[in-house]
Amino acid sequence: DAKTTQPNSMESNEEEPVHLPCNHSTISGTDYIHWYRQLPSQGPEYVIHGLTSNVNNRMASLAIAEDRKSSTLILHRATLRDAAVYYCILRNSGGSNYKLTFGKGTLLTVNP
Amino acid sequence: GAVVSQHPSWVICKSGTSVKIECRSLDFQATTMFWYRQFPKQSLMLMATSNEGSKATYEQGVEKDKFLINHASLTLSTLTVTSAHPEDSSFYICSARSPVRGINEKLFFGSGTQLSVL
Repeated sequence: DAKTTQPNSMESNEEEPVHLPCNHSTISGTDYIHWYRQLPSQGPEYVIHGLTSNVNNRMASLAIAEDRKSSTLILHRATLRDAAVYYCILRNSGGSNYKLTFGKGTLLTVNP
Repeated sequence: GAVVSQHPSWVICKSGTSVKIECRSLDFQATTMFWYRQFPKQSLMLMATSNEGSKATYEQGVEKDKFLINHASLTLSTLTVTSAHPEDSSFYICSARSPVRGINEKLFFGSGTQLSVL
């Protein structure tokens, strides 16, 4: 599987935007970029995913670089409940099994 | 969204006993479920893929005789840790593959089970 690189940790203030970067320089043309997050003592939850175009949903936005070698998850207004580990994962659309390999992710701390 | 229920949330057992963890998809049928293990301050490690009606597929290094997986119905998968030892203490998380396939496919996760073996 193509690998992703994320900062170990980031810090933000409540109600401010947060930009979580992810590098995936070896991404293939059929790899989708998925983001999941894991709140403390919980299982992960899906956040957003995309292929080439930027994506928006009620939780976040995903900005994908034109060459697709990097992407940024954007939380428009961070809340204390957004404090979690955020995982950027590549998933090949050609695969028949939805098997996700989690990296270390980015631990987001939100300050009140 | 789809809900995956995992039970129990935490369990404490004596060394040498077996522990069963249940994972249920509450409002959808899940032909495929996954079991992960997570040690403190570490990421999730995939243990096995559970397919309804067939044998589970284990990742390299995971002992299939120790971690028994049963997926007897479309809404239930169980993980049994047999003869548990302190080194098996960990956070176990199940997930179910969404019924939607293709580009909008995703995983729904249970809330996890913290296993402590004394």
